[in-house]
Amino acid sequence: QSALTQPASVSGSPGQSITISCTGTSSDVGDDNYVSWYQQHPGKAPELMIYEVSNRPSGVSNRFSGSKSGNTASLTISGLQAEDEADYYCSSYTSSVTYVFGTGTKVTVL
Amino acid sequence: QVQLQESGPGLVKPSGTLSLTCAVSGGSISSSNWWSWVRQPPGKGLEWIGQIHHSGSANYNPSLKNRVTISVDKSKNQFSLKLNSVTASDTAVYYCASPAGKKFDPWGQGTLVTVSS
Repeated sequence: QSALTQPASVSGSPGQSITISCTGTSSDVGDDNYVSWYQQHPGKAPELMIYEVSNRPSGVSNRFSGSKSGNTASLTISGLQAEDEADYYCSSYTSSVTYVFGTGTKVTVL
Repeated sequence: QVQLQESGPGLVKPSGTLSLTCAVSGGSISSSNWWSWVRQPPGKGLEWIGQIHHSGSANYNPSLKNRVTISVDKSKNQFSLKLNSVTASDTAVYYCASPAGKKFDPWGQGTLVTVSS
């Protein structure tokens, strides 16, 4: 199975909105709605930010939102803040009863 | 609130076997259907290794399937990872996580395993 494709880096100024894409296939992202997103700060474990495409766990800011169209999922961060600077990974359950992660995106707050 | 903690040797010799354990606290290992291992080579992305059901059934990443075994010990409330015939490319931070509801949450803090002679 191949990793889902994400842009290597995305940047934005404080207060702006950015969107990170996650492109897979009809066997993973396009197969069902089990796409999730994780934030990882340096030296830390990943943290769940979005699950089932667009649901936020308790405690996650509503500045984070998710969506999906076909084989591409997206994570949008609105009102960008300095603390949002981190690596972001998407993940999808697959039709083969496995999981696949995205290649990762480094978000820089200018 | 379930918490996970990885443990095991931080250094493994090439061609040897990497063995890690994930202790589950704050809940029963039978409370969640599945338990997973994920790894991250230094400076690189996340890679799903596999998962095990508390009944013992397992699924593995096809790229690692021939070298990986994940097992569960309900009496100790923990699950384990064994990866054999390791090479330098297996050097990574290894995380255990709970994929309950097909989302990984929570995660352990991670443990770095280096493959070197």
